[in-house]
Amino acid sequence: NAGVTQTPKFQVLKTGQSMTLQCAQDMNHEYMSWYRQDPGMGLRLIHYSVGAGITDQGEVPNGYNVSRSTTEDFPLRLLSAAPSQTSVYFCASSYDPYSTSQGPYLTQYFGPGTRLLVL
Amino acid sequence: QQPVQSPQAVILREGEDAVINCSSSKALYSVHWYRQKHGEAPVFLMILLKGGEQKGHEKISASFNEKKQQSSLYLTASQLSYSGTYFCGTDYGDEGGKLIFGQGTELSVKP
Repeated sequence: NAGVTQTPKFQVLKTGQSMTLQCAQDMNHEYMSWYRQDPGMGLRLIHYSVGAGITDQGEVPNGYNVSRSTTEDFPLRLLSAAPSQTSVYFCASSYDPYSTSQGPYLTQYFGPGTRLLVL
Repeated sequence: QQPVQSPQAVILREGEDAVINCSSSKALYSVHWYRQKHGEAPVFLMILLKGGEQKGHEKISASFNEKKQQSSLYLTASQLSYSGTYFCGTDYGDEGGKLIFGQGTELSVKP
């Protein structure tokens, strides 16, 4: 049971380049989220998904796209990278809060993170 | 809206106590607490649900005041292993699956 995995671990991009940050989980969690972490700003929610085919915006969605075609995968796309997107990105998954057989409500299981540097 | 944590940073000696507060401008359904060690991912500590009791785990406990829309994390007789950044995450109950985190409180425990 690998939990939540993210690739790559580290990436350097030039301004204007595009890339996809991969996130996968093998815990059969319905809910998945993307956060970015910047010094002094905490963890800010970018996009989240409550199930395959359903996504919604978080606090800072601009410049990022997501899709959720399977329960396991939730990739984050940067269409045209900007220096302001330099950050550490965390993917997280959690149980469906309405499924009473599973753990605490909305407990987030985080991946190891991806460090992104945009030059 | 992002919840507000205070203090932003705290330095303790081993054995001292600390309190970290988390305040929201919006009514809360649940409050989550996480700890992050340097260079690692955040790890879940505990959750407090609206109408629930104060939670605790060994010497770390938390309370949830629904009327004041705030939660407090209590660290008693701190240990070196308590060092890290603590985040509160808030769920307002109106948008399923969405957890909003505060800016974090950096806790350093010195020998």
